[in-house]
Order: sequence, then structure tokens, then C-alpha cells
Amino acid sequence: DAKTTQPPSMDCAEGRAANLPCNHSTISGNEYVYWYRQIHSQGPQYIIHGLKNNETNEMASLIITEDRKSSTLILPHATLRDTAVYYCIVRVLSGSARQLTFGSGTQLTVLP
Amino acid sequence: EPEVTQTPSHQVTQMGQEVILRCVPISNHLYFYWYRQILGQKVEFLVSFYNNEISEKSEIFDDQFSVERPDGSNFTLKIRSTKLEDSAMYFCASSPRPNEKLFFGSGTQLSVL
Repeated sequence: DAKTTQPPSMDCAEGRAANLPCNHSTISGNEYVYWYRQIHSQGPQYIIHGLKNNETNEMASLIITEDRKSSTLILPHATLRDTAVYYCIVRVLSGSARQLTFGSGTQLTVLP
Repeated sequence: EPEVTQTPSHQVTQMGQEVILRCVPISNHLYFYWYRQILGQKVEFLVSFYNNEISEKSEIFDDQFSVERPDGSNFTLKIRSTKLEDSAMYFCASSPRPNEKLFFGSGTQLSVL
């Protein structure tokens, strides 16, 4: 799986959009971009994933650049409960169950 | 919303003792995983499991570890002879298809004394 680079920490004001960047310049054509988050030592929580088109669900939007070398996770109206470590993970969808490799992620702190 | 259930939430054991951590994956999921997180460190993969077989395991998952699906609902992780360094939060996860979004439980905090 391709390596990802994320800033170690970010702050965001409550009610504003949180934009979390991820660099994955070595991504290959069959690799998807996944985002998970972990709130204070709870189990990681899936947020969203995409291949090349932008994606949106009830939690967030995922913007992938045209060359697929970077992406941005957008939480449109951040709340205090969105304070968490956010992980950007790149992986293939293969036929066998393989590991999800978590990096250090970005600690997002939503400020009141 | 269906969820992965883990028991117990906390387990304290003496070094050298055997422990079994239990998980009930989401009912229609077929792929199961164990991860662990030592305090202050990254979430680490241990093992993935499908069709009553291990699909992949990490270097951490040595002969002291085993997994089992003893019935149609439970998925267990056994550590035969615990070491101090096994102290960690252990997360179970399941997914309906391989490598699709994983649903994680809330974890079992294992403390080895």
C-alpha cells in the first residue's frame, strides 16, 4: 500500500469547515483512499473512501486531486465531538482480507 | 446501527496467564480482524480471518496468539502466556467484504501485571 503523509495536528473553530489534507504521491491506479478517525482511544471509525471521483456522505466529503497524489477530507461544520485523530490510508481492494495500516494521523482539535 | 461488541471492556491478568478476548462481529459480516494499540502508539494489525482460516497475520501475531470462531457469532483472540508487553487496547473489527470499510468494536483494555 502507498505511503501517506498528514500534518500531525490541526485546529478548527466549532461550526467551521475542517479541511484535513493527505499526501499520497506514490498511489497506484488500483488503490483507494480511505479515511478513518479515532476518538480518544475508542475503536477507529470509518468515515469515507474514494478512488478518483469526489465522494460525499453524511459524515464528510472527500476531494481527490485529478492526479490522485493528494486528497482532502472536509468536515463541513465541525463540532466538538469531531475532535479526534484522523487517518488517511491508501490501499487496494484485493480478494483477500489484508491489513489496514494506520499511520500517526492528524490530531484535529475543534475549539469552542 | 449494528455494531461490533467486545467483552470484557477491561481485563487484568498476571504475567504468564492465558487470556481470551471475545468479540461478536456484525451478523452478516464474513471477514474478521484483530488490532491492538499500545498506549500512545499507533493502531497495529494483528490478524485477519475468513472462512475459518487466517488470511493474513503480522509479525506480532506469533505462536502465543491464536484466533477462533467457535460458533456462528463469536470471534476470539487467545494469548496463551501473557507478557508485560501485551498490555494494550485490543480492537476487534469486521467487514462484509474483504478490505471494505471495517467496523471496529470499542476495545478490550488488557493489563498484564
